[in-house]
Amino acid sequence: AQSVSQHNHHVILSEAASLELGCNYSYGGTVNLFWYVQYPGQHLQLLLKYFSGDPLVKGIKGFEAEFIKSKFSFNLRKPSVQWSDTAEYFCAVTSFSGGYNKLIFGAGTRLAVHP
Amino acid sequence: NAGVMQNPRHLVRRRGQEARLRCSPMKGHSHVYWYRQLPEEGLKFMVYLQKENIIDESGMPKERFSAEFPKEGPSILRIQQVVRGDSAAYFCASSPRQGDADTQYFGPGTRLTVL
Repeated sequence: AQSVSQHNHHVILSEAASLELGCNYSYGGTVNLFWYVQYPGQHLQLLLKYFSGDPLVKGIKGFEAEFIKSKFSFNLRKPSVQWSDTAEYFCAVTSFSGGYNKLIFGAGTRLAVHP
Repeated sequence: NAGVMQNPRHLVRRRGQEARLRCSPMKGHSHVYWYRQLPEEGLKFMVYLQKENIIDESGMPKERFSAEFPKEGPSILRIQQVVRGDSAAYFCASSPRQGDADTQYFGPGTRLTVL
């Protein structure tokens, strides 16, 4: 069965620090990969997605992620975080089953950015 | 254009009571997905519905849980005789087309607490 693992459950950074959140998935076939963000009290929003093509994907708010097929990884990065990036981040992969795509999520990483 | 609406946002029930969670998809969306997030875990797929049809309920517990998406009105996730282990955040997502996981738009979630 497909699974997604996120290495860090809690990350604390100071403003302007660089961010990298790890995500690994287990699935041998073609995958679509996503990062979602949930700001406090708000709904999940799509940050970025990878379907095919350039493995370096740029998303909203200065985030990017790199798909490394050989490592089954899709790590999220941002060169300089801001206090407003404080949120929970979820990595997800789709499983094509029964004629449609089902999202499989990692456990999430809570990021706290201190001014 | 309103997003996916869920109500109530917070629901408290005593053991043995029923919980009804509502999800109104985005306008023009006829596909609804329910996910559950247990404490310290990622979102887990529960059920996928189209209008008046359950397409995939492979993630639903076999007993006490049911879901519907009637021709008119919101989608309802119903939990009968709740137990403490049902305490979780329940998220609904909607999409306009079948098979497009990248167009799933999420609601703010309902946080169920069972006393």
